Amino acid sequence: EVQLVQSGAEVKKPGESLKISCKGSGYSFTSYWIGWVRQMPGKGLEWMGIIYPGDSDTRYSPSFQGQVTISADKSISTAYLQWSSLKASDTAMYYCARLYPGIGSYMDVWGKGTTVTVSS
Amino acid sequence: EIVLTQSPDFQSVTPKEKVTITCRASQSIGSSLHWYQQKPDQSPKLLIKYASQSISGVPSRFSGSGSGTDFTLTINSLEAEDAAAYYCHQSSSLPWTFGQGTKVEIK
Repeated sequence: EVQLVQSGAEVKKPGESLKISCKGSGYSFTSYWIGWVRQMPGKGLEWMGIIYPGDSDTRYSPSFQGQVTISADKSISTAYLQWSSLKASDTAMYYCARLYPGIGSYMDVWGKGTTVTVSS
Repeated sequence: EIVLTQSPDFQSVTPKEKVTITCRASQSIGSSLHWYQQKPDQSPKLLIKYASQSISGVPSRFSGSGSGTDFTLTINSLEAEDAAAYYCHQSSSLPWTFGQGTKVEIK
């Protein structure tokens, strides 16, 4: 079964750093792009960026370029989303999803999401 | 950036009614338009790919149509379990974008 398992909920203070993860299983992790999507409380979906774990080719939405870093470790089939200095406005649910079959395609499998709460 | 505008934002519908949600793109995206359903406290789920292609396991009452700039998601004979938010998504060009969502409530 194809699965994306995301790391658990996080509670952080403004200015702290954070790295959340998304582990793929049941398929060739290096052969499919992984995307990250933000959902702020009570709001819609926002596309953040994508990464190809095979060679770490990464594309960002202009809205998130420079605000987050997307990376992957293909040796452990895991993609990451990280912040160097969190803000209260980063409070949201973050989903990872697999792009099938390639970059110009749809997201067929989604993780359950990681809740990030940033509060002083 | 391609902007996707969905209408309506909210719809309250009686079971067995037909629901139509539209998604308009700010420029032509061919058929690179996909629909997702998100139930409360759940991850989004793929409903329709490439504007009109069905997804295995998705009930046949869900269908999609359109190309270019105008797209439609239709739910024939709405069921109580269809209460959810529905989003369109374009993968024609980066940055990818989503519509703002349409919330469907069961009366």
